Amino acid sequence: SQTIHQWPATLVQPVGSPLSLECTVEGTSNPNLYWYRQAAGRGLQLLFYSVGIGQISSEVPQNLSASRPQDRQFILSSKKLLLSDSGFYLCAWSVRRGGSGEQYFGPGTRLTVT
Amino acid sequence: AQSVAQPEDQVNVAEGNPLTVKCTYSVSGNPYLFWYVQYPNRGLQFLLKYITGDNLVKGSYGFEAEFNKSQTSFHLKKPSALVSDSALYFCAVRPPTSGTYKYIFGTGTRLKVLA
Repeated sequence: SQTIHQWPATLVQPVGSPLSLECTVEGTSNPNLYWYRQAAGRGLQLLFYSVGIGQISSEVPQNLSASRPQDRQFILSSKKLLLSDSGFYLCAWSVRRGGSGEQYFGPGTRLTVT
Repeated sequence: AQSVAQPEDQVNVAEGNPLTVKCTYSVSGNPYLFWYVQYPNRGLQFLLKYITGDNLVKGSYGFEAEFNKSQTSFHLKKPSALVSDSALYFCAVRPPTSGTYKYIFGTGTRLKVLA
């Protein structure tokens, strides 16, 4: 069966510090991968998605970037965090071809920028 | 513009009573429709989906959803609510032209089941 991991689970970082959040998927190959941010326990904002290694699409211009160095690894980064980067970050995957498109989410990372 | 609406921020229901969480959408074509549940400080869990066929789809934990094409709705239902069903519920739509990404999510409905 497929599993998706995210770490760290929680993170407290000062303004201006760098960020690296990691997401890995097991039990599947060639997945689509997604990064979302959830603010205030409500709506989900799609930040980035990837359909393959090195292929990243950004949905919203911002202080963050994403990379996919391996097929099942997705990394969210920032060089200098802002207070507004605080939130709950969710990674998700879906089957690239042949599926009906449901996305499967990781457990999330709670980021607090102080 | 394409959109998904969950008109109720919160739904309260007594344990044992039936529950309904509403979702309507404005998307051209025949979208795929999904429901997810989120417990506090957790990721979203997939509950059920509608692709085609029978308008009543059954999912995890006794939930079901009814697709109504004429009303462009996809309401989540359960015949008998449990306290453990209390959580945040999201409706999501995948437009037919979106490939396998770019869901449109609703803003979520908080369900509280009262003992």
